[in-house]
Amino acid sequence: NAGVTQTPKFRILKIGQSMTLQCAQDMNHNYMYWYRQDPGMGLKLIYYSVGAGITDKGEVPNGYNVSRSTTEDFPLRLELAAPSQTSVYFCASRDRPGEQYFGPGTRLTVT
Amino acid sequence: GIQVEQSPPDLILQEGANSTLRCNFSDSVNNLQWFHQNPWGQLINLFYIPSGTKQNGRLSATTVATERYSLLYISSSQTTDSGVYFCAVGVNQAGTALIFGKGTTLSVSS
Repeated sequence: NAGVTQTPKFRILKIGQSMTLQCAQDMNHNYMYWYRQDPGMGLKLIYYSVGAGITDKGEVPNGYNVSRSTTEDFPLRLELAAPSQTSVYFCASRDRPGEQYFGPGTRLTVT
Repeated sequence: GIQVEQSPPDLILQEGANSTLRCNFSDSVNNLQWFHQNPWGQLINLFYIPSGTKQNGRLSATTVATERYSLLYISSSQTTDSGVYFCAVGVNQAGTALIFGKGTTLSVSS
């Protein structure tokens, strides 16, 4: 199993550009999550999904959108990138019940 | 919402020393995990431990759910143990997403 994979690993965006961060898992987990980590801080929840077709907002959803058309994939869309979205983004998944497994992260810089 | 506090915020050790990291949380939890974030930013699962005691090599963890705290023990520390240690808890909302503490930064020197 590859576990949780994320692409790209690094990205630099200009203010106002858009992009999609990809996340995939091959463990057949229903629950998937997107977190962001700002320097010197713990992770904060952006969006989560409890199954295909079901998504909901977390603590810091502004400026982001998600979709979940399959069990495996959970892409995060950034529209009109802003410097405040400079962060490291982590995707995670879990079975029910159980521990969460994290991807390697995407380091995003908006300039 | 639930609060997660980790202590100490920073810890400096000589190689071979032992240490205890603490995580306090303000409400009942369904999930508790310990992570090590290495200098390259990768999050490594250490323990899934909503209650009880587990050991994995030089690391062990104990969660006392009724008293709302968890401890991570590192014995005979090595330089590769350096990094940030996060405690994260899950409650019965938001798909049991994890709520992270601010972490303990550990530096082990040889």
